[in-house]
Amino acid sequence: ETGVTQTPRHLVMGMTNKKSLKCEQHLGHNAMYWYKQSAKKPLELMFVYSLEERVENNSVPSRFSPECPNSSHLFLHLHTLQPEDSALYLCASSQDDIRVLNQPQHFGDGTRLSIL
Amino acid sequence: DAKTTQPNSMESNEEEPVHLPCNHSTISGTDYIHWYRQLPSQGPEYVIHGLTSNVNNRMASLAIAEDRKSSTLILHRATLRDAAVYYCILSNFGNEKLTFGTGTRLTIIP
Repeated sequence: ETGVTQTPRHLVMGMTNKKSLKCEQHLGHNAMYWYKQSAKKPLELMFVYSLEERVENNSVPSRFSPECPNSSHLFLHLHTLQPEDSALYLCASSQDDIRVLNQPQHFGDGTRLSIL
Repeated sequence: DAKTTQPNSMESNEEEPVHLPCNHSTISGTDYIHWYRQLPSQGPEYVIHGLTSNVNNRMASLAIAEDRKSSTLILHRATLRDAAVYYCILSNFGNEKLTFGTGTRLTIIP
């Protein structure tokens, strides 16, 4: 139990569907992150939020739309995805944002996304 | 950006110590060294981090070479649950992102 919960654990969707991934952290952290882990590729940072404000967008296509309504919740809205977007999407949180070094990140177990 | 180099895979026997190496020959004086691990079907898990001095916590020890060009993660007594991919990562001011490489896949032999 890491204190970071992601739902759903698995998601299959068509390219024209719209869906959302949810992340919730119970650690009282102020920063939250989305990562993408494709098969046989390293984790890639997608977005960083600090105190509900986006502080980093790592050149992610607009078909991925993050939302952070409060410091405990983070969403990733998906629309018109491509087959190459099939991957494990991981959420993480840390006490402060990455500009404060030495902040261990706590990860959820991810959502396995498959695009048909 | 300073890069890290790790062996692709290692094996170790259960209940024996494990030494996981990481080379970072271009490390700067302000780079922190972080270790994370990822167990099968789980997200990464923070293990330990350090700057210059050796560090110990309940999970592992981090031994940092005097010139800081390499470090070693030490698991004192491996269990089957320690089978995972171990990532060695550098970060510093101006490059705070955790950039995960391909890591070392550790297999524990019963």
